[in-house]
Amino acid sequence: DVQMVESGGGLVQPGGSLRLSCAASGFSFSSHWMSWVRQAPGKGLEWLGNIKEDGSYKNLVDSVRGRFTISRDNANNLLYLHMSSVRVEDTAVYYCARERPGQHVALDNWGQGTLVTVSS
Amino acid sequence: QSILTQPPSLSGAPGQRVTISCAGSSSNIGANFAVHWYRQPPGTAPKLLIYGDNNRPSGVPDRFSGSKSGTSASLAISGLQAEDESDYYCQSYDNSLRAVVFGGGTKLTVL
Repeated sequence: DVQMVESGGGLVQPGGSLRLSCAASGFSFSSHWMSWVRQAPGKGLEWLGNIKEDGSYKNLVDSVRGRFTISRDNANNLLYLHMSSVRVEDTAVYYCARERPGQHVALDNWGQGTLVTVSS
Repeated sequence: QSILTQPPSLSGAPGQRVTISCAGSSSNIGANFAVHWYRQPPGTAPKLLIYGDNNRPSGVPDRFSGSKSGTSASLAISGLQAEDESDYYCQSYDNSLRAVVFGGGTKLTVL
């Protein structure tokens, strides 16, 4: 079965850093674009960015560009979200999601999410 | 304020048909970018419901259907069931923002 499991969330102070991981299994990880999506408490979904199958191309939205980066380790089926200079408004559940090939960023499988709380 | 506009809430009785709208603009839905729909039951991760405007992933019942016209899209749910009570989100791509965008979400209540 396709599965993604996020980890690395927790409490971090404003201005701090955190690295989220997403362990993928049950599919050919290196054949899929992957995305990160977050959801602030009680709010809707916000797409953060994605990374190409081989890691050679990445997109990030304006609100996190320059603070967050996305990377992947295809040898170990891992996706990362590197977060720095975090702000209170970055508090959210962070999901990794697999993109369906051939369908422009249709996210066909999601992890269970990991909660990041930014607070002093 | 979301780029794609959905009604915040909607309700229907069991067995009824409901439609959730998703209004966009010429830089997203109107530019013919695909629309996808997700459902998110409380406390769980979103799940893909419709992709590419009107396609269902395997396992999604044919009670769910999607459509698109001009700058808007819709998700129709027929034969409403108690288990359909959930949050629903539309998603597309915006070429002005050069980013994937979601609607604000619609909370569907089954009466």
